[in-house]
Amino acid sequence: KNEVEQSPQNLTAQEGEFITINCSYSVGISALHWLQQHPGGGIVSLFMLSSGKKKHGRLIATINIQEKHSSLHITASHPRDSAVYICAAPRGAGSYQLTFGKGTKLSVIP
Amino acid sequence: DAGITQSPRHKVTETGTPVTLRCHQTENHRYMYWYRQDPGHGLRLIHYSYGVKDTDKGEVSDGYSVSRSKTEDFLLTLESATSSQTSVYFCAILDRYEQYFGPGTRLTVT
Repeated sequence: KNEVEQSPQNLTAQEGEFITINCSYSVGISALHWLQQHPGGGIVSLFMLSSGKKKHGRLIATINIQEKHSSLHITASHPRDSAVYICAAPRGAGSYQLTFGKGTKLSVIP
Repeated sequence: DAGITQSPRHKVTETGTPVTLRCHQTENHRYMYWYRQDPGHGLRLIHYSYGVKDTDKGEVSDGYSVSRSKTEDFLLTLESATSSQTSVYFCAILDRYEQYFGPGTRLTVT
């Protein structure tokens, strides 16, 4: 089973700050997922990436397959970015089941 | 929008009663999943389905059963609810290697 660890568990930032959330996993995989969950809300898929970097607006996700590590960056953070960010990895090569990290709770203060 | 709905959205039930949660999708996706989400834990897989009448256990399947008699519906049943099954339940579908989640069902067992 893939073990997925996220850090930090909680993060408070001032509006406008650059934010980094880290994710490491134990088993080599083909792709890693980043998800977002707003308070009391549903879960939304942000990125699926297998190499390099992906960007969507102010969100950037990077992955280093060799080091089994991924980061999610938020540039020019805004209070509406306040949410729980979750990374997830397949249980193993070729698996359609995901193992999820416990999430990083981000609070952006105006 | 992957067209996923869950019903009911909220339910309070008593210990020992049976409970069935429904996940409905409109786009004929083959894979469907049931998760539970609890404080201090990541999303944990209860059961999943890879086709009509094809299901398998996840990591926390004890006390739960599932059925999938048609592509669009995936039912999760708690045969005799216990307080430890108080949780938020999410279903998800797999579409082109990404999972998309329903809005969740908050279940309270008293």
